[in-house]
Amino acid sequence: GQQLNQSPQSMFIQEGEDVSMNCTSSSIFNTWLWYKQDPGEGPVLLIALYKAGELTSNGRLTAQFGITRKDSFLNISASIPSDVGIYFCAGEGGSEKLVFGKGTKLTVNP
Amino acid sequence: GAVVSQHPSRVICKSGTSVKIECRSLDFQATTMFWYRQFPKQSLMLMATSNEGSKATYEQGVEKDKFLINHASLTLSTLTVTSAHPEDSSFYICSAPQGITPGAFFGQGTRLTVV
Repeated sequence: GQQLNQSPQSMFIQEGEDVSMNCTSSSIFNTWLWYKQDPGEGPVLLIALYKAGELTSNGRLTAQFGITRKDSFLNISASIPSDVGIYFCAGEGGSEKLVFGKGTKLTVNP
Repeated sequence: GAVVSQHPSRVICKSGTSVKIECRSLDFQATTMFWYRQFPKQSLMLMATSNEGSKATYEQGVEKDKFLINHASLTLSTLTVTSAHPEDSSFYICSAPQGITPGAFFGQGTRLTVV
């Protein structure tokens, strides 16, 4: 089945630093999505990408849908303490079903 | 904005009993909803697709007789964990697409603990 490789698994950064994380897949996707999940909560959609090469921003977040349709990255600029959480990538290859990456745990030190 | 509301947020039940989890789309209609399971410190795994007015479709390895899904209206899907066992303890989350965005909204999740 489809698998997503998300890296890094965890990151420890200082407030104000930029962050980058990415996902790669063995198969192509029609849609890439990035989520943030806080403890004990459901994921919240940050950015959705719908076509290869698309670059989309949401405030301090920027994500891109890779040209090959097998990868995506998420950048967070000027991190702040409330950016702490687990970030998941997800791909959709048809029928609206999502395959999730294993997550990147972000810790921001003030 | 549109919201998916999931209830209850936490439930503790005894082995052998059944637990029902509700997922409601609050201001939009969802002909399809999805149910995921997440074990501690792991990713979300799709369990099944809930289809309004028809049978749910289950992912490989998910027992349909154990995880009963009913999507009786355009705003409500329910997941019933039947004859619960301790290994069913997990975080269950529903989601609904909206427009061209799959996984647009997720519920708050239900932490199930079977004792």
